[in-house]
Amino acid sequence: EVQLLESGGRLAQPGGSLRLSCAASGFSFSTYAMTWVRQAPGKGLEWVSTISGGGVGTYYADSVKGRFSISRDNPKNTLYLQMNSLRAEDTAVYYCAKGIGSDYYYSVTFDYWGQGTLVTVSS
Amino acid sequence: EIVMTQSPATLSVSPGERATLSCRASQSISSNLAWYQQKPGQTPRLLIYGASTRATGIPARFSGSGSGTEFTLTISSLQSEDFAVYYCQQYNNWPPLTFGGGTKVEIK
Repeated sequence: EVQLLESGGRLAQPGGSLRLSCAASGFSFSTYAMTWVRQAPGKGLEWVSTISGGGVGTYYADSVKGRFSISRDNPKNTLYLQMNSLRAEDTAVYYCAKGIGSDYYYSVTFDYWGQGTLVTVSS
Repeated sequence: EIVMTQSPATLSVSPGERATLSCRASQSISSNLAWYQQKPGQTPRLLIYGASTRATGIPARFSGSGSGTEFTLTISSLQSEDFAVYYCQQYNNWPPLTFGGGTKVEIK
């Protein structure tokens, strides 16, 4: 059974940093690109970042580029999101998600989502 | 960036009736469109990909159609568990990956 379990979300100060983790199990982790998607309170879904299966390719939304960094540890089956220079508008539930396949299209069509971890940025 | 626009924002439907949700892309995305369902307090669930292919375990009352810039999600006979927010997402041309703003299907 595929499982994705996020952790690391908490209250952070504007300008501060957080690192989110997503522990994956039940599938061949290194085969699949992995993605972070966020959802601000009462709002819709927003793509944040994607990393290729091998970790070489990384992609970011303009809203987080230069501030967030995605990475993965394949032997540990874990995905990360390093979040720096946090802003109030980064407040959201952060989901990690797995694609249904490993090609360009299906790597970002998400069949499994974690339960999410809440990041609140406030002074 | 491809902008995805969903309409209506809210759809009021009685149980057993048909619901038709629309999603429009700002440029052609071929059939590279997915639909997700999200119930309150839950994570999104993949319903449809490739514009019309049901994901594993999705009931046949959910169907998707369209290509290019105009897409439709149809729920043929709404069940109580179908009242939720529905999002479309394009994956034809990314980054960035983009979602529509959502359509809330509520009980009439």
